[in-house]
Amino acid sequence: DAGVIQSPRHEVTEMGQEVTLRCKPISGHDYLFWYRQTMMRGLELLIYFNNNVPIDDSGMPEDRFSAKMPNASFSTLKIQPSEPRDSAVYFCASSLGGSLQETQYFGPGTRLLVL
Amino acid sequence: SQQGEEDPQALSIQEGENATMNCSYKTSINNLQWYRQNSGRGLVHLILIRSNEREKHSGRLRVTLDTSKKSSSLLITASRAADTASYFCATDHGYALNFGKGTSLLVTP
Repeated sequence: DAGVIQSPRHEVTEMGQEVTLRCKPISGHDYLFWYRQTMMRGLELLIYFNNNVPIDDSGMPEDRFSAKMPNASFSTLKIQPSEPRDSAVYFCASSLGGSLQETQYFGPGTRLLVL
Repeated sequence: SQQGEEDPQALSIQEGENATMNCSYKTSINNLQWYRQNSGRGLVHLILIRSNEREKHSGRLRVTLDTSKKSSSLLITASRAADTASYFCATDHGYALNFGKGTSLLVTP
């Protein structure tokens, strides 16, 4: 298996632009997680899905952020409009089952820079 | 929400030495996991220890858990330059994980 795939790996955009991050989880995994990592705040959970349904989005910073999972093999995280403070590395992870008994497998991340 | 906190924030040792990292958390947990992150990469799972376990080994890794003190430690024995990475503990938060800010380990030849 190729593991969790994220695209793009790097994104540079200007303030106010829309940004879409993409994730393909490991086949057969039924939980998908979106995290954001910054030096100041560390690794933060933004939202997670179970069987394509959003379960907990309490970590989503504000209405500018939205996430979808239209099918079991694809998810997007969208920021509209983007702001410089959104600059971070965004990780997608998936797991087979969502309990802490299950290992989460992380993608390589998308490094976002908003100018 | 609960979050683990690693200590120290940074650690520098020489190859062959042992490295010990600690994690403290605030409320009761079911399990605790340790992850490693190499520079520019995603996190990789290392080991999981359940709340009813006190110690667990995996290769050169040794993890302890003290639920009375709400703390865990990760010991890497006979460190190698390839162990240079950031190490995170993760505690449960419903079905998701809460990560600390990590310990940055540098192993010099």
